[in-house]
Parts: sequence; C-alpha cells; structure tokens
Amino acid sequence: DIQMTQSPSSLSASVGDRVTITCQASQDIRDSVNWYQQKPGKAPKLLIYDASKLEIGVPSRFRGSRSGTDFIFTITSLQPEDIATYYCQQSDNLPPYTFGQGTKLETK
Amino acid sequence: EVQLVESGGGLVQPGGSLRLSCAASGFTFTSYSINWVRQAPGKGLEWVSYISTDSRTIYYADSVRGRFTISRDNAKNSLYLQMNSLRDEDTAIYYCARGKLGYYGMDVWGQGTSVTVSS
Repeated sequence: DIQMTQSPSSLSASVGDRVTITCQASQDIRDSVNWYQQKPGKAPKLLIYDASKLEIGVPSRFRGSRSGTDFIFTITSLQPEDIATYYCQQSDNLPPYTFGQGTKLETK
Repeated sequence: EVQLVESGGGLVQPGGSLRLSCAASGFTFTSYSINWVRQAPGKGLEWVSYISTDSRTIYYADSVRGRFTISRDNAKNSLYLQMNSLRDEDTAIYYCARGKLGYYGMDVWGQGTSVTVSS
C-alpha cells in the first residue's frame, strides 16, 4: 500500500503569512494527490486535486505542486478563515486511497 | 443544490450490525462513483470503501474487508454501507463522498452520520 507522510502535524502562523504543508508518497503516484480542508465539526472540503488543480470556487491563494514523490500545499497569504486541519490524500489507480495524518493550522 | 445526506448511524454493541444510507440529490447520481470515509473521534480521515457508477468495481480498506458491504441503488439515488461484526474501533463519523469526474478526488461530501460501537 502507498503511504503518505504529511508534515508538520501542527503549524502556527500569522495572518498574511505564507504557509507550506508537505506530503511525501512512499512511491511514484504521478500527480494523484488531493488536498482537503476540514473545519471543526464539518465535513472535509476539496481544495486541490491532481496535485495542482484548483477546485472550482476555491480562492487562488491555495496552491498545490509536486516534486517527484513530494507534494506541497501552500497558502500564499493566510486569512483568518483558513484556520482548519488540512489533509493530503493519494488517489492513484488502486486503493486504499490513503490520507495523510493531517496538519492542524492555528493562528499565532 | 448538490447534496449528499447520510443516515442510519447510532449506538450498537460490539459484534452487532448497522446499515448506513446516503441519499443523493441535485446531480446525476448514475454518473458518479461514491466513497465512504470515516473519522474516529479526534483522529484523521480514513478511506473505507469505493463503488463505481455501475457497481462493477468495488474496493474496501483492509480494516473493513469481509465485514462491510457497499452497494448502491441508482433508481433511488442512494448509497448504502452494510456494517457487520462491528468492533470498538469502528466508532467514527461516517461520510459519503462523491468521486470527482475523471479523478479519484472527492468533491462533494455529506454531513456525516455518527456510529458508536460500545457495550
């Protein structure tokens, strides 16, 4: 099975900061990574799919990229409403469609 | 409005059974694959199961294979998860989530239904 190692597990940042979260896949999965935002008591929300494609309606400050088996999620300028937990997920051809451990983003 | 609404959660004893339902509306249900994803209290997300549009392709996580059965009724725009031989570790919020067309990401999620396995 493909493992997704997400880091950091928690992150404290200020409004306006650039925030970066990384997921490393245990093998080559091409661009098959999605990023989700989850706020407390709510269902996850798809932000980025296929490593770098922005879901419709999602602000452009959210970005995704890939370097080999490393997948990078970036918020270019943190806003107060971005406080949430973020998850990567691999979705290569065969399951399990593993999620990363999550990154809890808090404000300083 | 595109919507998924789960139901059927509750309290069940270890070894018991429960059937979850997911009602879809606002989109052409027959065109989309659907997943179940769960989240144990205070924990991260865990993918549970996948079913293709025509029910021909079905996948399960190792943790539930042989105990859970996913199915869909396209005539009723509904998805189901039959859960048997439930264990304490199956306690979680269960979400149904629509597969994004052409990809395996999940672009529409229900609000979740809570399952508690406890004696």
